[in-house]
Amino acid sequence: SQQGEEDPQALSIQEGENATMNCSYKTSINNLQWYRQNSGRGLVHLILIRSNEREKHSGRLRVTLDTSKKSSSLLITASRAADTASYFCATDWGGYQKVTFGTGTKLQVIP
Amino acid sequence: GAGVSQTPSNKVTEKGKYVELRCDPISGHTALYWYRQSLGQGPEFLIYFQGTGAADDSGLPNDRFFAVRPEGSVSTLKIQRTERGDSAVYLCASSRTAQETQYFGPGTRLLVL
Repeated sequence: SQQGEEDPQALSIQEGENATMNCSYKTSINNLQWYRQNSGRGLVHLILIRSNEREKHSGRLRVTLDTSKKSSSLLITASRAADTASYFCATDWGGYQKVTFGTGTKLQVIP
Repeated sequence: GAGVSQTPSNKVTEKGKYVELRCDPISGHTALYWYRQSLGQGPEFLIYFQGTGAADDSGLPNDRFFAVRPEGSVSTLKIQRTERGDSAVYLCASSRTAQETQYFGPGTRLLVL
């Protein structure tokens, strides 16, 4: 079963705009990660935020984590057409990374 | 260096047949994971190997599914008596240790007719 749910399911924006997607999860976690997937195939790891962190930046990406609400958000600033992809949040718990993925947000960036 | 590779890229088989899907992890990665992704869904965990042993196989849907990693490197996911519902993309990932980031392969798209 899926642990998390991303919101919205689909998002369409113009190039240069910011894109925000959210993730909610159900159980306590060690880490939360965001992945990108192009064309339904290879998953690319974007960023990891630990349960004791609240915000993290990597290039044009900004991730926040609110463990009290069991939610996270991914912000992509100054979007590009190449950012068009599906984005998944994934959570892990326990002594190893038994990662559970959400259902994904499909982002389309229009040039 | 080389990433995770999976073969074949695509596999079409008939209902009831046996299939094997192969995963070559990144060299030196001790942890290996298999996931299954159905259309429009996120990947779902199947099994995790630490070295040669299956440390967690709780995601395998039934006893038709089996995976091995005999030398702690290459892994093979085996599906017996395939059913149409097994059609999906099967993803493999590896990580240097169990606590580090997983790197995914491109997947094998399985279609059972």
